[in-house]
Amino acid sequence: EDKVVQSPLSLVVHEGDTVTLNCSYEVTNFRSLLWYKQEKKAPTFLFMLTSSGIEKKSGRLSSILDKKELFSILNITATQTGDSAIYLCGWGGEKLTFGTGTRLTIIP
Amino acid sequence: DVKVTQSSRYLVKRTGEKVFLECVQDMDHENMFWYRQDPGLGLRLIYFSYDVKMKEKGDIPEGYSVSREKKERFSLILESASTNQTSMYLCASSFPPGQGTDGELFFGEGSRLTVL
Repeated sequence: EDKVVQSPLSLVVHEGDTVTLNCSYEVTNFRSLLWYKQEKKAPTFLFMLTSSGIEKKSGRLSSILDKKELFSILNITATQTGDSAIYLCGWGGEKLTFGTGTRLTIIP
Repeated sequence: DVKVTQSSRYLVKRTGEKVFLECVQDMDHENMFWYRQDPGLGLRLIYFSYDVKMKEKGDIPEGYSVSREKKERFSLILESASTNQTSMYLCASSFPPGQGTDGELFFGEGSRLTVL
């Protein structure tokens, strides 16, 4: 059975800290790994990763995939209160299987 | 702008009622999905569809059915709602792998269903 595991389940840090969110997966027919941010409403797309070792960046957020060790990390530097959200990791193929998410809370 | 619209943001139903959740996308996507989201359990796939009149069971199809009569519309049906179906329901759509954004899902804003 395909599985995506995210850790930690929740994280509380102070504004300005750097955080690393983890996603490990055991899936067949891997095509891509996707990260989403969910605030109050629909998840919004952050990154799609298909190749190992290539970092993707968007502002203070970055992500990288290790296909050999079957994991991905999402880094957020200089965190802001607007980064408070649930971060979802999903494996993409014919369907998208998600982990449980990491709830990140940034304290001012 | 890409759009996935779920017809009802909030619903309250009684146990045993039939519930329809509607989802419409305007991106000409072949794939459409229904997930439910519960605290501590993340997003779990209920059903998905690759094309009109096609449907596939996801990870938790029990107690649900779906209908896809038109490409842009994917409906989730709870034949007889139960309290354990109280949840947030999210619809999403995407192109098939190898096309467009290759796996990226576009989500609707969710339908929060409470079954009393």
